Amino acid sequence: AQSVTQLDSHVSVSEGTPVLLRCNYSSSYSPSLFWYVQHPNKGLQLLLKYTSAATLVKGINGFEAEFKKSETSFHLTKPSAHMSDAAEYFCVVSDRMEYGNKLVFGAGTILRVKS
Amino acid sequence: EAQVTQNPRYLITVTGKKLTVTCSQNMNHEYMSWYRQDPGLGLRQIYYSMNVEVTDKGDVPEGYKVSRKEKRNFPLILESPSPNQTSLYFCASRKNTGASGANVLTFGAGSRLTVL
Repeated sequence: AQSVTQLDSHVSVSEGTPVLLRCNYSSSYSPSLFWYVQHPNKGLQLLLKYTSAATLVKGINGFEAEFKKSETSFHLTKPSAHMSDAAEYFCVVSDRMEYGNKLVFGAGTILRVKS
Repeated sequence: EAQVTQNPRYLITVTGKKLTVTCSQNMNHEYMSWYRQDPGLGLRQIYYSMNVEVTDKGDVPEGYKVSRKEKRNFPLILESPSPNQTSLYFCASRKNTGASGANVLTFGAGSRLTVL
């Protein structure tokens, strides 16, 4: 069975400093991994996804994530936080070749950015 | 614009009064799904549909019903709402062709429901 663990429920950084949001997963040998962002009172928006190509994935707004199979991790990073990055972030795993439904969401990480 | 539209966005109701939250997508997606979001629990799936007339239970289906009579619509029905169904609800859709597990979910803006 697939599962996702977001290791921090809350992360607080200062504006201009790096962001690291951690995600570990368990899945079949062909996972797809996604990061979604949810700003207050908004729906979820895709930040980036990994399917099977390059292990370093670049997303919107300067975010990137690296798929590390040996560590079963897909951590989200950004070199310099901006106030507008304050939001909740969800790591999601699915089976890439599955014709079906198996999407599993992490519990979410709330990112706070201090001025 | 490609989108998933949910209505209503906000609703306050009372225990036992039937309600329906509508969901419509304009992207010709086969797959649609309902989630509820509660603090500290992330998103939990209520029901999903692989295509027209095909629906199945997710992780937390109790107290909910759905139907999929048309490809674009996937309403969520609460026959007799209770206070523990107070939550933020999201509808989402994606294509279900090819390596469908790699396809991106498109989410609606959410419906905040309060049951008194």
